[in-house]
Amino acid sequence: LAKTTQPISMDSYEGQEVNITCSHNNIATNDYITWYQQFPSQGPRFIIQGYKTKVTNEVASLFIPADRKSSTLSLPRVSLSDTAVYYCLVGDDYQLIWGAGTKLIIKP
Amino acid sequence: ETGVTQTPRHLVMGMTNKKSLKCEQHLGHNAMYWYKQSAKKPLELMFVYSLEERVENNSVPSRFSPECPNSSHLFLHLHTLQPEDSALYLCASSRLKGRGSTDTQYFGPGTRLTVL
Repeated sequence: LAKTTQPISMDSYEGQEVNITCSHNNIATNDYITWYQQFPSQGPRFIIQGYKTKVTNEVASLFIPADRKSSTLSLPRVSLSDTAVYYCLVGDDYQLIWGAGTKLIIKP
Repeated sequence: ETGVTQTPRHLVMGMTNKKSLKCEQHLGHNAMYWYKQSAKKPLELMFVYSLEERVENNSVPSRFSPECPNSSHLFLHLHTLQPEDSALYLCASSRLKGRGSTDTQYFGPGTRLTVL
């Protein structure tokens, strides 16, 4: 049983900021929050990981509130190539459970 | 390129065949994983090897048999598969494996398996 809940799909337009929220009400103290991106017929690719507050890297930001029961992946100024499935995972490396992910479609 | 390669990329086999999937990682990692991804289903973790020792086996049928001869290579031996085993089989590696470890997993491109 997946430990996370995310929207099944989202649409947006090129140049917009996209926020994908993940719910993880039963997150444990040791759990990190990790996001992956997957294109069709490819393996998932790591995007970002965090434990609390805010993490930013060259491709995305991750916002985690103090209670850590949810997290939001923020993709700035998306392009058509950001069309993919995005997975939110919680857990340590020993117990990663993958959910269905969010299919993000970027339109011109 | 993620540093993880898988061969073959596509495989069609009959239910009585025996075949093997190969994974190789060039990242110096110590843990390797096999996942199954069926259409419209989440990734299912099948096997995990840490330092060449199997540490996870998630109730996978015995018709799937993993082998990890060294930390860089991982095989999945297949025999007498069923049509429902058709899926994308993904290999991944990470630096470490274990409780509390949060190392990024690097995935290969996968092998698209079709069982007739």
